[in-house]
Formats: sequence, structure tokens, C-alpha cells
Amino acid sequence: DAGVTQSPTHLIKTRGQQVTLRCSPKSGHDTVSWYQQALGQGPQFIFQYYEEEERQRGNFPDRFSGHQFPNYSSELNVNALLLGDSALYLCASSVGQGPIDGYTFGSGTRLTVV
Amino acid sequence: LAKTTQPISMDSYEGQEVNITCSHNNIATNDYITWYQQFPSQGPRFIIQGYKTKVTNEVASLFIPADRKSSTLSLPRVSLSDTAVYYCLVGDKDQAGTALIFGKGTTLSVSS
Repeated sequence: DAGVTQSPTHLIKTRGQQVTLRCSPKSGHDTVSWYQQALGQGPQFIFQYYEEEERQRGNFPDRFSGHQFPNYSSELNVNALLLGDSALYLCASSVGQGPIDGYTFGSGTRLTVV
Repeated sequence: LAKTTQPISMDSYEGQEVNITCSHNNIATNDYITWYQQFPSQGPRFIIQGYKTKVTNEVASLFIPADRKSSTLSLPRVSLSDTAVYYCLVGDKDQAGTALIFGKGTTLSVSS
């Protein structure tokens, strides 16, 4: 049973560029959440997608956007990249938006902005 | 989710028991205490959850006193592979749509 799959695993972008990260949820899961984890910090919630709609959003600017497809996979898009966007981006899937112990995380995409 | 406080780091040696305490003074009646573990270059993974008294599984034990204002994650006889960051979260176990709110966690370093 495949867990959460994220691609790519590593990415280097230039300041001002745009990036798209991808996530395939665990089999049987229909909800995808995205987190940003800076070095030495805990993961910070970006947003959650359920039924192809953004259901919750953390304190992130509009430069961060997402999409969920009918097969439950998801994309995270970040426009106008800043050096401070360098981080590990984690995708977590769950059934029906939770509960708190029901999240499965992927290994993340390491984004470096230069 | 209720705010939690836990030590930033702990050091231990192989074979020792490690206890990580988490304070959650504002825990609500419906809240459960949940712990996640994160290895380097991986996403967090759920390890244990409890409401009161003691919970034990194949990975760890969770001790929760009667007032529930704190909890202790106990890792028996740690090995080098237990080196990781441990996060304590408090929230309604069954509430849909609960976004996980992580603090900085406790970085456990196990040496030989």
C-alpha cells in the first residue's frame, strides 16, 4: 500500500520564479494538506484541500496557491519566489479532513531559492 | 488547538529510558494528547495518542495525570534509531478539519 508520494524530492529555483510541487495521497485518503517546514522549526500549516476545494488556510500569502484533482492528488504553487520560501514542503493526506491522529505525511520536497 | 510547551532538546544513551514531558495547561474537555515523531528528511508520523491515565503501544507509552495539564511520552530502552524530533499536539480527536499545529518539538539525540 503506497503511502504519500511527493515530487520532486529536491528543487532549486531562482528568486522571482514560480514553482509547482506535487502530491499523491495515500490510497483511500481523500484530503490533502500542505505544510512548510523551515530549518529547525516545526511544520507550519499552509492549506487543506477536500473535495477539490480549499477548506482551510494558514497564515500564508496569496503567492501560495493549490489545486486538488478528481483523483485526490494535489499541487502546491508558489509564485514570485523569495529567499525565505526555502524550506521543506510536506504533504499530508487523511480521510475526510482529519482527525488529529489520522494524517500520513510524505517525505517532502526540499525547495531551495537562490 | 491548545498551546503546548516541551523541552527544545534532550540527550540520552542507548538502552536508557527517555521521558519527554509536555505542558498543556489550557487543554479542553474534548481534547486528546497526540504525539508525532519526525526523522531527519522525513515527514512526521503519528506514534501515540491518549486522553487520560496511561496508553501503551509497540513504540511508546503515554502517561497523563488526572488534571491532564501535562503528559509524558516514555520511550523504553532507546536506540540510535530513536534520534528524532518529537512533537506534542493537543486537540479534539474526532473533529474533522483540524489542522495540525506544530511547535518546535523536542529534538532527542541518542548516543552510543
